[in-house]
Amino acid sequence: GNSVTQMEGPVTLSEEAFLTINCTYTATGYPSLFWYVQYPGEGLQLLLKATKADDKGSNKGFEATYRKETTSFHLEKGSVQVSDSAVYFCALRPNAGGTSYGKLTFGQGTILTVHP
Amino acid sequence: ETGVTQSPTHLIKTRGQQVTLRCSSQSGHNTVSWYQQALGQGPQFIFQYYREEENGRGNFPPRFSGLQFPNYSSELNVNALELDDSALYLCASSGMTGELFFGEGSRLTVL
Repeated sequence: GNSVTQMEGPVTLSEEAFLTINCTYTATGYPSLFWYVQYPGEGLQLLLKATKADDKGSNKGFEATYRKETTSFHLEKGSVQVSDSAVYFCALRPNAGGTSYGKLTFGQGTILTVHP
Repeated sequence: ETGVTQSPTHLIKTRGQQVTLRCSSQSGHNTVSWYQQALGQGPQFIFQYYREEENGRGNFPPRFSGLQFPNYSSELNVNALELDDSALYLCASSGMTGELFFGEGSRLTVL
């Protein structure tokens, strides 16, 4: 079956530090890949996505590149801010058309804390 | 446009009881998915409804059931509650683009 593995957390950084959160996946075919963010007391929000190999998703200074050869989708940001403190989830969705829209497989999440 | 709203936000039940959680989809969305998020874990897919029919289910027993109504709102029902059912239950809706929009969740505690 499909699975997503994220790096062990939590991650604690100082403001303006470089961030990498590793994500690898197991899936058949060519799934779509996502990063979601969950701020304290809020629901999940889509941060970025990539739907095919070598695509780069980006948003709010975050980037991730879909690497089919290494089955990875690592999240990076060049300079984190205190406001980036949240839980980050990597997820995949099989490419099976409209019936698969809601069927995400999530990683276990990585807690990021950024100190001033 | 209104977002995805869930109710109740928190509730406490005892083992063996039944619970109903509700979700209002984002305007224009006809697909609803439900997820269970245990503490410290990622969300796990329970099932998906499209135009009032279940069209996908994760690895959850039949005591987890759902409904979708003509206005695309949805309910999640859990019978014979167990302690391990304690979790945050998330609802997400999607439309033609396939992007999921999540509600803030209903936190269920089973004592």
